[in-house]
Amino acid sequence: GIQVEQSPPDLILQEGANSTLRCNFSDSVNNLQWFHQNPWGQLINLFYIPSGTKQNGRLSATTVATERYSLLYISSSQTTDSGVYFCAVFDSWGKFQFGAGTQVVVTP
Amino acid sequence: KAGVTQTPRYLIKTRGQQVTLSCSPISGHRSVSWYQQTPGQGLQFLFEYFSETQRNKGNFPGRFSGRQFSNSRSEMNVSTLELGDSALYLCASSLEGENQPQHFGDGTRLSIL
Repeated sequence: GIQVEQSPPDLILQEGANSTLRCNFSDSVNNLQWFHQNPWGQLINLFYIPSGTKQNGRLSATTVATERYSLLYISSSQTTDSGVYFCAVFDSWGKFQFGAGTQVVVTP
Repeated sequence: KAGVTQTPRYLIKTRGQQVTLSCSPISGHRSVSWYQQTPGQGLQFLFEYFSETQRNKGNFPGRFSGRQFSNSRSEMNVSTLELGDSALYLCASSLEGENQPQHFGDGTRLSIL
């Protein structure tokens, strides 16, 4: 099946810093989503971005489908950005596959 | 518009018991998928239902089963519970399923004693 790799696995940021999270996938995909899982376990939908660039406030994402990667940018990070960020894609069998996630800690 | 609703939020069971979890999708969504999240294995796909039919299945033993009703609500059942079944179980809904945005519920946290 498709491999979804996220980097870095862990990220510690000071409040106000910018960061880039990466998601590589081993095969072509038709659907890619970024999620934020907060400390209470809630999985929040950030972006549905099979290709191109989208922005939502301090967050933006870019997917280059032909090169099989997606990037999530966090600008001016805040403590509420802490949590785990996941990317997920549909594989050729129709199964939604998640990466292992990037654990982000934003310190005051 | 109400989001995806999962009940119960927390559940404690003992080994050997069985458990049923419920998921009500967003109104109008016909696809419901289930996922298991554990610290060791991460987020893993269990199965997907669409129009009351299981359309896709992950690599889990037969103790894990599910069904979907005509109103698109779905239930997941785990029989003969094992300690390793302790996990956060998440449900997601989408309009048609594959290649469409998945919207997740808050999950059911299952603990096995």
